[in-house]
Amino acid sequence: DAGVIQSPRHEVTEMGQEVTLRCKPISGHNSLFWYRQTMMRGLELLIYFNNNVPIDDSGMPEDRFSAKMPNASFSTLKIQPSEPRDSAVYFCASSPQGTANYGYTFGSGTRLTVV
Amino acid sequence: GENVEQHPSTLSVQEGDSAVIKCTYSDSASNYFPWYKQELGKRPQLIIDIRSNVGEKKDQRIAVTLNKTAKHFSLHITETQPEDSAVYFCAAGTGFQKLVFGTGTRLLVSP
Repeated sequence: DAGVIQSPRHEVTEMGQEVTLRCKPISGHNSLFWYRQTMMRGLELLIYFNNNVPIDDSGMPEDRFSAKMPNASFSTLKIQPSEPRDSAVYFCASSPQGTANYGYTFGSGTRLTVV
Repeated sequence: GENVEQHPSTLSVQEGDSAVIKCTYSDSASNYFPWYKQELGKRPQLIIDIRSNVGEKKDQRIAVTLNKTAKHFSLHITETQPEDSAVYFCAAGTGFQKLVFGTGTRLLVSP
C-alpha cells in the first residue's frame, strides 16, 4: 500500500493567490481528515469526512478555506485568497471507519509558504 | 467534547535514561488511546495504542499505561536512544468520533 498521498510536497505562493492541496487516502479507508500544523498552534483539525460526507468543519478558520471529497479516493483543501498567516504544514490523514479500532495514517504533508 | 492535556511540553534526558509522558482526558466514553511520534520534518506516525479494556501494553522499549478511573494514560520509553528524539502526541477517541490530540511533547535524548 502506498499510504496516504499528498501533493504538492511544497508550495510557495503569493498572497491573494488560490492554493489547492490534494490528498489520496488509503484504499478502503472511509474517514479522511485535514490538519494544519504550526509551531504556535500545534496540530489543528480543520475538517473531516466520513464516507465522503463532511462531518465536522468547525476547525476551518475562515470562509477562505474550503474542502471537498468528490469520491472515496480524492480530497482537496482550497484556500482562496491565501494570506501569509496560512503558512503551515497541512497534513491529510485517513482511517478505517471507527476511530475506536484504528489510528490515523498521515500523509507526508504539504508545506505551504505564502509570501 | 473531549479535551486532552499533555505534559510535559519538553523533556530532556540522557541516553539510557527512561522518559515518561503523561496525558489526561475528559470524556469518560473515550476508549481508544494512540500515541504518535513525529520526527523533524516528517509525518506523525503511530507507535503504540491501547484500548480501554487493557491497563498496560508493551512493545520492546515502549509501554503505555491507562488508568480509566483517573482518566489518564502515559507513554514510557526505557533505555532511551538519540533516535528517540522527536515530538510525541497522545490522543483519545471513541467509536466514530474524531480523535482529539494533545499538544505534543518534544523529547530530546542527549548522547
